[in-house]
Amino acid sequence: NAGVTQTPKFRILKIGQSMTLQCTQDMNHNYMYWYRQDPGMGLKLIYYSVGAGITDKGEVPNGYNVSRSTTEDFPLRLELAAPSQTSVYFCASNWDSGANVLTFGAGSRLTVL
Amino acid sequence: DQQVKQNSPSLSVQEGRISILNCDYTNSMFDYFLWYKKYPAEGPTFLISISSIKDKNEDGRFTVFLNKSAKHLSLHIVPSQPGDSAVYFCAASEGGSNYKLTFGKGTLLTVNP
Repeated sequence: NAGVTQTPKFRILKIGQSMTLQCTQDMNHNYMYWYRQDPGMGLKLIYYSVGAGITDKGEVPNGYNVSRSTTEDFPLRLELAAPSQTSVYFCASNWDSGANVLTFGAGSRLTVL
Repeated sequence: DQQVKQNSPSLSVQEGRISILNCDYTNSMFDYFLWYKKYPAEGPTFLISISSIKDKNEDGRFTVFLNKSAKHLSLHIVPSQPGDSAVYFCAASEGGSNYKLTFGKGTLLTVNP
């Protein structure tokens, strides 16, 4: 059981470039989330999804887009990378909102120069 | 405006002694609290949780205490082991809505052999 898998683990982008962070879970979880963690800070919610075809904004959605075409996949897209998006990104999932306990991926470290 | 505060960025204890990690919150609507543990280069993993209807929850060496009147919770680890060295995040949610999970900045615990 792989759990939540994120790719890539590391990426360096130039300002203005675009990229997609991939997230896949094999637990048949309905809810999926994207968080970012800046140095010395807690995790902040970017976007979340309560099921295939349904997404909504979290606390810090600006500069990002998401889609949820299948239960398993929840990619996060950065359209015009900015230095402020330098962070570690974590994807997470759980069965439903009442469960509270999230399963996290290992993270994707993104640097924008 | 930090709704979940972990005021100690780091804590160092000797193996076998007690580790006490503290967390304060300001939002009186929070009714479910969780602790996550994070090793370097890994995603956070769930450790223990407590509902606001309780004031204590215990799981092996880990105990979480909740003082609702003071809006304070603490995580006790007894006895501490070197493998407990990690960053510990306090998190809170309101009304069981996981997309409203708010994280503290984390406390780095170092357990010295």
